[in-house]
Amino acid sequence: KNQVEQSPQSLIILEGKNCTLQCNYTVSPFSNLRWYKQDTGRGPVSLTIMTFSENTKSNGRYTATLDADTKQSSLHITASQLSDSASYICVVRSGGGFKTIFGAGTRLFVKA
Amino acid sequence: DTGVSQDPRHKITKRGQNVTFRCDPISEHNRLYWYRQTLGQGPEFLTYFQNEAQLEKSRLLSDRFSAERPKGSFSTLEIQRTEQGDSAMYLCASSFGQDRGAEAFFGQGTRLTVV
Repeated sequence: KNQVEQSPQSLIILEGKNCTLQCNYTVSPFSNLRWYKQDTGRGPVSLTIMTFSENTKSNGRYTATLDADTKQSSLHITASQLSDSASYICVVRSGGGFKTIFGAGTRLFVKA
Repeated sequence: DTGVSQDPRHKITKRGQNVTFRCDPISEHNRLYWYRQTLGQGPEFLTYFQNEAQLEKSRLLSDRFSAERPKGSFSTLEIQRTEQGDSAMYLCASSFGQDRGAEAFFGQGTRLTVV
């Protein structure tokens, strides 16, 4: 069964600290993996996309990694800001069609 | 604003009533997706259009749900005989091109509350 599991479910950190969010997937065949940021009451916004051959990709203070062998991805946020408070959703696209499987997300709270 | 637009943003309806949501994708985007998101969960795929053709439907899309994209531009999602379990955020997204890696841009969503 195609699944995407994220951990932790929620996380509270102090402003300025770093954090790492995890995503494990069992989607096969694999096409690509995206990390989205979703602010409360808004639609998700893409942060980064990882394909099979990519191990790491950065977008400002966000760095995503992908280990296609272990089917794991992580999103590292550096020097967190209050505006980083949001849900971060890992999304894996199956290579067998246009279906995308969303994780439940990690709810991040950044406190001053 | 040239992003994906959804209307209405919020809808409260009584159980058993029909509701219809509209999605206007980004101009020129040929692909349009509908998702449902409940509190604390990620979006769940409902259906997908390429131009006016509905190419995939999730098993989540019961016979009370119907989606259309008549001219390959805007789309509507109708829920008939709403149930309390239909309460959720309904998200629309659009993308352009044939590449499976093409980014999908999401709208703000329509939050449905069935009372």
